[in-house]
Amino acid sequence: NAGVTQTPKFQVLKTGQSMTLQCAQDMNHEYMSWYRQDPGMGLRLIHYSVGAGITDQGEVPNGYNVSRSTTEDFPLRLLSAAPSQTSVYFCASGTGLNNEQFFGPGTRLTVL
Amino acid sequence: LAKTTQPISMDSYEGQEVNITCSHNNIATNDYITWYQQFPSQGPRFIIQGYKTKVTNEVASLFIPADRKSSTLSLPRVSLSDTAVYYCLVGDDIATGGFKTIFGAGTRLFVKA
Repeated sequence: NAGVTQTPKFQVLKTGQSMTLQCAQDMNHEYMSWYRQDPGMGLRLIHYSVGAGITDQGEVPNGYNVSRSTTEDFPLRLLSAAPSQTSVYFCASGTGLNNEQFFGPGTRLTVL
Repeated sequence: LAKTTQPISMDSYEGQEVNITCSHNNIATNDYITWYQQFPSQGPRFIIQGYKTKVTNEVASLFIPADRKSSTLSLPRVSLSDTAVYYCLVGDDIATGGFKTIFGAGTRLFVKA
């Protein structure tokens, strides 16, 4: 199993541009989530999904959209990038049986 | 959502036992206590989870007193490779909203030779 994969690893955007961060998992997990981590800080939950077709907002959802059309994929869309969205983005998945989440390697995003 | 308080940083030497304590005064009846480890430039990795008393696995032990208002992660005989940030999380099971658990700033453990 590849686990949780994220693409791209690095991305530089200009203010106002949009893009989609990809996340996929091959563990058949129902639960998936997106976090952002700013330098020296903990992770903050952006959006999460408890199954295909079901998503909800986390702690910092503004400026981001998500969809969950399949169990495997959970893309995160930045609608109009802002410098405040410069961060490392982590995707995670879990079985739902406990709080164990499996994290991807992250996407480092810089918005100029 | 129960918030947690951990020391910002800790230093240790190779071979020592390290205990990291987390306070969670507002823990709810259904909340579990979960610990993650994060190395630089990597996503967090699940270490251990417990509800009460003591839990042990091949990596660590988790001690939870009867009132559950705190918990202690114990790492036996640490090595340089245990240098990382350790997060204490408190929240309900994923099936009932566990993904809403909050990662605080964590404890930065630095193991010296």
